[in-house]
Amino acid sequence: SQELEQSPQSLIVQEGKNLTINCTSSKTLYGLYWYKQKYGEGLIFLMMLQKGGEEKSHEKITAKLDEKKQQSSLHITASQPSHAGIYLCGADSRRSGGYNKLIFGAGTRLAVHP
Amino acid sequence: NAGVTQTPKFQVLKTGQSMTLQCAQDMNHEYMSWYRQDPGMGLRLIHYSVGAGITDQGEVPNGYNVSRSTTEDFPLRLLSAAPSQTSVYFCASMQRGAAEAFFGQGTRLTVV
Repeated sequence: SQELEQSPQSLIVQEGKNLTINCTSSKTLYGLYWYKQKYGEGLIFLMMLQKGGEEKSHEKITAKLDEKKQQSSLHITASQPSHAGIYLCGADSRRSGGYNKLIFGAGTRLAVHP
Repeated sequence: NAGVTQTPKFQVLKTGQSMTLQCAQDMNHEYMSWYRQDPGMGLRLIHYSVGAGITDQGEVPNGYNVSRSTTEDFPLRLLSAAPSQTSVYFCASMQRGAAEAFFGQGTRLTVV
């Protein structure tokens, strides 16, 4: 079965600093999702990447899917306290047109100190 | 528009008790799923459904049953609760082929 490994597990940064979270899959990715979870709440969709080399941005958050489609990185520019939370990558290992069976990595806990 | 609604938000069970976690969505989504979230392990898929009358097992299905009699509802049943089932449970729904899954606010379950 497909597995997603996220790194780092946790991250503490000072406000204004840039940071990167990585997500590596054991199999080829046909859809890679990034979600954010505020502590004690449900998940909020950030973006989805499908094509190798694809890059998308949402406010100050940018995500890329590498050419070989087995790794994605999430980059936050000029972090703010509002960016704090748990970032999870999710994958749909089925080819497009199939049913969505979403699995997730263990998550990266981000704290941003003022 | 309510989105995905989970009830209850909190529950304490004794070992061996049974209960049903409710999940309802009002977006006419085909796909619904249940996850559990444990510290350090992220979200693990328990069961999922691709439409009314169709369910399938996820990564950690043991100890849980589901059914999907309507498009809107996808209840999760614990037949005989065990302490290992102490977790936060999330229900999600999405349209087939869509990019975004919608999550409920979670049910925090403690089994003593």
